[in-house]
Amino acid sequence: DARVTQTPRHKVTEMGQEVTMRCQPILGHNTVFWYRQTMMQGLELLAYFRNRAPLDDSGMPKDRFSAEMPDATLATLKIQPSEPRDSAVYFCASGSVRAGEQYFGPGTRLTVT
Amino acid sequence: QKEVEQNSGPLSVPEGAIASLNCTYSDRGSQSFFWYRQYSGKSPELIMFIYSNGDKEDGRFTAQLNKASQYVSLLIRDSQPSDSATYLCAGDGSSNTGKLIFGQGTTLQVKP
Repeated sequence: DARVTQTPRHKVTEMGQEVTMRCQPILGHNTVFWYRQTMMQGLELLAYFRNRAPLDDSGMPKDRFSAEMPDATLATLKIQPSEPRDSAVYFCASGSVRAGEQYFGPGTRLTVT
Repeated sequence: QKEVEQNSGPLSVPEGAIASLNCTYSDRGSQSFFWYRQYSGKSPELIMFIYSNGDKEDGRFTAQLNKASQYVSLLIRDSQPSDSATYLCAGDGSSNTGKLIFGQGTTLQVKP
């Protein structure tokens, strides 16, 4: 049963600390997406990759957020330093350009105090 | 600005009724559309996709696409309390990158 996995599932940290979230996309998918979801803003696209190359990261604050894909089985999203306004659920999704659909991981619920 | 618009709801229907969820989009170049269901505290789950004008049926779900009117809908027949969730509409925004543009979602409540 192929699925996207994310770690950690929950993270509570203090303002100013570094946060790293990890995602393992579905094997064979060539696109990976990072989203943030809050009640106020809904689902926001932060960054996405195709064949491990970053295509667009205009949705994320560049001064504190960074997204990488060191290999085909791992995507990371880092926040440094974290702020209370970063509290949200962060989803990773993977898909294929040909088919168009995306499959979401279970999410990381981040709380910054 | 490419947009996908949905009424946030909540849309309330009695058990057994047909629930109709609607979505409009601004980019005429959009080709593919997707419906996701998201239960509270869970991640979005793909339930339907549609590429061509007309209807596409899958069990109790029917997706409808009208490209001339830039309108997408999802019908849920014989609604069940377990269908209560937020439904997200997404379009490909005429891109060829796999990127999707999501609406804000419509919350559906099915009352027993």
